[in-house]
Amino acid sequence: QKEVEQNSGPLSVPEGAIASLNCTYSDRGSQSFFWYRQYSGKSPELIMFIYSNGDKEDGRFTAQLNKASQYVSLLIRDSQPSDSATYLCAASGTYKYIFGTGTRLKVLA
Amino acid sequence: DGGITQSPKYLFRKEGQNVTLSCEQNLNHDAMYWYRQDPGQGLRLIYYSQIVNDFQKGDIAEGYSVSREKKESFPLTVTSAQKNPTAFYLCASSPQGGYTEAFFGQGTRLTVV
Repeated sequence: QKEVEQNSGPLSVPEGAIASLNCTYSDRGSQSFFWYRQYSGKSPELIMFIYSNGDKEDGRFTAQLNKASQYVSLLIRDSQPSDSATYLCAASGTYKYIFGTGTRLKVLA
Repeated sequence: DGGITQSPKYLFRKEGQNVTLSCEQNLNHDAMYWYRQDPGQGLRLIYYSQIVNDFQKGDIAEGYSVSREKKESFPLTVTSAQKNPTAFYLCASSPQGGYTEAFFGQGTRLTVV
């Protein structure tokens, strides 16, 4: 069974701090990786995707991929209370996506 | 405005009834997906389709059926065989299934009454 593993949290960080969210995946064939943010009662919203080893930055968000370690992370700089949500990690499968169960982030004002 | 539209937003089903959830996209995406989400849980794949007139079962297809007669539309029927259908249902689409990002509709919350 191909899996994506995330710590369910909650991960609590103070406002203005860096939040670090982590994800591991089992399928070495996965080529693409995605981070989604989901507010309570809403649908997931794409934050970032990454295909290559290394870092990819977009505003306050940085995605990191290490294919050798099968590890993906998302860093949120200058965390805001509005960033409080569940963050879902997904890996590409054959024509489909494998989702983790998500990490709940709480940013404390 | 391009996007994915799910309807209705809320749906109530009586025991023994079949209900159909609508999903329409105008993004010209080839791939479409149906996921189920239970409280505090991740997304579980019900069915997916890469092309018109073709679809595959996901991890939890029992008690559900789909059709893909048009590129824009991928309706999901929750049949009476699905014993625990109360959940949040999410439809998604992608230009190239699995390799590029997927985008989600706003979801349908189904409750059995």
